[in-house]
Amino acid sequence: AQSVTQLDSQVPVFEEAPVELRCNYSSSVSVYLFWYVQYPNQGLQLLLKYLSGSTLVKGINGFEAEFNKSQTSFHLRKPSVHISDTAEYFCAVTRMDTGRRALTFGSGTRLQVQP
Amino acid sequence: DGGITQSPKYLFRKEGQNVTLSCEQNLNHDAMYWYRQDPGQGLRLIYYSQIVNDFQKGDIAEGYSVSREKKESFPLTVTSAQKNPTAFYLCASSIGYGGGAADTQYFGPGTRLTVL
Repeated sequence: AQSVTQLDSQVPVFEEAPVELRCNYSSSVSVYLFWYVQYPNQGLQLLLKYLSGSTLVKGINGFEAEFNKSQTSFHLRKPSVHISDTAEYFCAVTRMDTGRRALTFGSGTRLQVQP
Repeated sequence: DGGITQSPKYLFRKEGQNVTLSCEQNLNHDAMYWYRQDPGQGLRLIYYSQIVNDFQKGDIAEGYSVSREKKESFPLTVTSAQKNPTAFYLCASSIGYGGGAADTQYFGPGTRLTVL
């Protein structure tokens, strides 16, 4: 079984400041990793994903994440946030093998960007 | 435009009623999923389907039922046996179980169900 831990339930930050949202996972098999963003009362939008190759992954809206296998982490970063980045962010994993491929989600981090 | 549609956006149910949430996709994806989201929690898997006429229980399937008679449709029924059905329900799809990019899931806009 897989599990995902997002240590921070809320992250307040001022506009134009950098931000890091933390994600750690646990799995007995290799996994693919994803970050999704959810705006109020909407579905989830894919920000970025790590499937293989370079451990630094760039996504939409200026976000990037780094996969660290030894620390089983996949932290999300942005060098300068905007008010419009205020949303909930979910880290998720799915196993690479032929087992159940549905996503396992963390509990989410609410990013609050203040002017 | 290709995408996933869910209807209705808001749904109200009386105690003891069954209700069905619609999910349709025109992405030609083989796999479809239903998740439930509660405030302050991540998404939890209710049911998933890898192919037409096949579906599997997820982590919280009790009180729910699904069907997959067509590739593009995966309706979810919330039965009266579901004790706490008030939640935000999200449908997703992916190309299939080919691994890698094929596993990337795309989500619909969601249905908010409230029990009166």
